[in-house]
Amino acid sequence: EDQVTQSPEALRLQEGESSSLNCSYTVSGLRGLFWYRQDPGKGPEFLFTLYSAGEEKEKERLKATLTKKESFLHITAPKPEDSATYLCAVQAASGAGSYQLTFGKGTKLSVIP
Amino acid sequence: NAGVTQTPKFQVLKTGQSMTLQCAQDMNHEYMSWYRQDPGMGLRLIHYSVGAGITDQGEVPNGYNVSRSTTEDFPLRLLSAAPSQTSVYFCASSYSGELVYEQYFGPGTRLTVT
Repeated sequence: EDQVTQSPEALRLQEGESSSLNCSYTVSGLRGLFWYRQDPGKGPEFLFTLYSAGEEKEKERLKATLTKKESFLHITAPKPEDSATYLCAVQAASGAGSYQLTFGKGTKLSVIP
Repeated sequence: NAGVTQTPKFQVLKTGQSMTLQCAQDMNHEYMSWYRQDPGMGLRLIHYSVGAGITDQGEVPNGYNVSRSTTEDFPLRLLSAAPSQTSVYFCASSYSGELVYEQYFGPGTRLTVT
């Protein structure tokens, strides 16, 4: 069974204080690992897809990295507008899990001015 | 492009009532899915479709039906609402040509069953 565990559950940062969010996963072959951002009362917004270990992707203050067991979302010099819940999901390469995403419970990030 | 649209935004049902949550996308995506999101549980897949006429069950399908008669629309039917179905429901769609489902989500429907 595919599993995704995100840590920490919640994170409070001062504006400008860089940090990382963790996503550990167990999947029978990885087709893709996805990061989403979700604002309160809204649907998740797609950020990145990572396909293989060693891959990195960046968007503004966010950088996602991938190893064979986990992914990190690094936030550099965050601003209050980066406050949101960040979700990680995996898609398996084969079997029933290859047609669906398995999501973690998310990390709620609060950036204090 | 409107993207993924969902109606209604809010709904209150009484136990035993039935209703249909509507979902439409204008991106010509073949893959569509329905999730529910509950506090502390994360997003859980209810049903999904890889194309018109093809649907399958996800992790939590009981009490829900789907059909896919067109590429654009993927309605979710609650057959006999129960308080346990109180949740926020999200529809999502994805291009599936390379079998990697970068899903784009709608704004959600907040459902309360009393």
